[in-house]
Amino acid sequence: QQQVKQSPQSLIVQKGGISIINCAYENTAFDYFPWYQQFPGKGPALLIAIRPDVSEKKEGRFTISFNKSAKQFSLHIMDSQPGDSATYFCAASARDGGSQGNLIFGKGTKLSVKP
Amino acid sequence: EPEVTQTPSHQVTQMGQEVILRCVPISNHLYFYWYRQILGQKVEFLVSFYNNEISEKSEIFDDQFSVERPDGSNFTLKIRSTKLEDSAMYFCASSERGQYNEQFFGPGTRLTVL
Repeated sequence: QQQVKQSPQSLIVQKGGISIINCAYENTAFDYFPWYQQFPGKGPALLIAIRPDVSEKKEGRFTISFNKSAKQFSLHIMDSQPGDSATYFCAASARDGGSQGNLIFGKGTKLSVKP
Repeated sequence: EPEVTQTPSHQVTQMGQEVILRCVPISNHLYFYWYRQILGQKVEFLVSFYNNEISEKSEIFDDQFSVERPDGSNFTLKIRSTKLEDSAMYFCASSERGQYNEQFFGPGTRLTVL
């Protein structure tokens, strides 16, 4: 119930291509869905986040698509660049019972963008 | 740009020893978190802290773990008697307003228990 399932585990994309990472959840109380980017040896850094009152959010080359009925959300990276090569984590949190927003993370996707 | 800092970057300890991991959250943030990441696995929530008390904790955060904000700037995670399975990367995070608000992560402390 508290899990966030993320796929694929790894992804190789050519420079200029579109990278797509998918996540699914079961807990309908989740109401905040961020994506984090992590480079080796660094902490996760927030990339983009969405709340379930919208179906899509775009920031530059990064777009989150959200399907509330299917309980799925995805990250699209347009015009992927070698500098985007990193591990991407989806996450979710629920503001119920006084929760202060602790994040439940997916298992991560290691993205490699080939030049 | 303000950032979360953590010390030490790497801690090696013997099984059964106590360790204290230190974090300095961003100065105007009010909500503090500890997460851990076992090598190659996902980031897991340990504990959240607000208004000088624990808000929520996961099943991982058992009696061997404790958190403290000893002064106005530091936020610490103590593991009383370390086990081999405590070896992981420990991340501190802070946010300004809790839910719906970006959590800024520190660079992590790599804990190795021998």
